[in-house]
Amino acid sequence: GEDVEQSLFLSVREGDSSVINCTYTDSSSTYLYWYKQEPGAGLQLLTYIFSNMDMKQDQRLTVLLNKKDKHLSLRIADTQTGDSAIYFCAELTSGYALNFGKGTSLLVTP
Amino acid sequence: DAGVIQSPRHEVTEMGQEVTLRCKPISGHDYLFWYRQTMMRGLELLIYFNNNVPIDDSGMPEDRFSAKMPNASFSTLKIQPSEPRDSAVYFCASSLIHLEQYFGPGTRLTVT
Repeated sequence: GEDVEQSLFLSVREGDSSVINCTYTDSSSTYLYWYKQEPGAGLQLLTYIFSNMDMKQDQRLTVLLNKKDKHLSLRIADTQTGDSAIYFCAELTSGYALNFGKGTSLLVTP
Repeated sequence: DAGVIQSPRHEVTEMGQEVTLRCKPISGHDYLFWYRQTMMRGLELLIYFNNNVPIDDSGMPEDRFSAKMPNASFSTLKIQPSEPRDSAVYFCASSLIHLEQYFGPGTRLTVT
């Protein structure tokens, strides 16, 4: 399929906010996802948003969706060193498969 | 629940050998997905099942790959014969409805 685009790398200081951006491909995608992958581990579902919403908040996580621009972002408030991981954006295709971006590696420094 | 269980966690094999990867989905989930992760191509869907029936296998690379789901609690992904380019991390995921896919820890396959 077409590529879901994400920046490859982001570095932030502990306590700051992190914003990870994603551009998806299919304007008819109904659900958009954020997954987290720690080294040597599987993917952990963080949150997802329905395409008729423009924002979803879940504790320190805020997802913003701009459907017109096909742009999705994940904001992590008060970023901690334990948030260091790779974050994947994904869109749900019509066939129920997830189309993933290549992932953004987040490094949180003390 | 223990989550999605995959075995083995690591597999090293020689080119030409048969490899079988195993997955136990979360109990009660009716969708099962097999993904492959490589540095070059990222995460790709290989095949998925609904109620043990293969629905979409368009991501299976070639005839060397096959997947089965004989019952609701077990699936296998087989590669025969294996090639070095099959080296990757293979993930199994399951979901109750298709919206929330939960991933296993993955099997890291190295074909020498």
